Amino acid sequence: ETGVTQSPTHLIKTRGQQVTLRCSSQSGHNTVSWYQQALGQGPQFIFQYYREEENGRGNFPPRFSGLQFPNYSSELNVNALELDDSALYLCASSSHGASYGYTFGSGTRLTVV
Amino acid sequence: GQQLNQSPQSMFIQEGEDVSMNCTSSSIFNTWLWYKQDPGEGPVLLIALYKAGELTSNGRLTAQFGITRKDSFLNISASIPSDVGIYFCAGHNNAGNMLTFGGGTRLMVKP
Repeated sequence: ETGVTQSPTHLIKTRGQQVTLRCSSQSGHNTVSWYQQALGQGPQFIFQYYREEENGRGNFPPRFSGLQFPNYSSELNVNALELDDSALYLCASSSHGASYGYTFGSGTRLTVV
Repeated sequence: GQQLNQSPQSMFIQEGEDVSMNCTSSSIFNTWLWYKQDPGEGPVLLIALYKAGELTSNGRLTAQFGITRKDSFLNISASIPSDVGIYFCAGHNNAGNMLTFGGGTRLMVKP
């Protein structure tokens, strides 16, 4: 059984640039969620994708957007990067409606300079 | 911002000691989850709780879902060096589409 794979593992971007992070979900999972984890804090929910549509969103501005593809993989896009966007971005896959079956990837460490 | 208050923020204990950490919320959650995160990794699920008052064990770990559904605790018995890491509580919302995490408890174990 393949787990959740995220790429790249590390990334450095300049303020104002755009970034795309990628996530391959665990085999058998059809839902992908994205979380932002600032240093020393717990993860914060960005949004969830199910059936290629957004299925819930946290308190993040519209410059955070996403996609889900037919194979259930997903992308997180962030436009107009700000210094505060520096964080670990975690992807979690699950089966729709499961209340416990979230499998997290190892994350992408984004640094904005 | 986060709605879950987790305490303590950090603990430095001797190997073999028992550990207790807890989480409180201003909101009711239908499911409480406890995760462990190692450096450079994503959170890994330790225990899931589904019913108010439920007490669940997983090896040396024991967790309880508070009667009010607004709190939970996690106990680790006879700690070992590999218990080192950050422990997070998380509540699952009614819509079933998001987890709200606590701020984490950093556990350090002295051999």
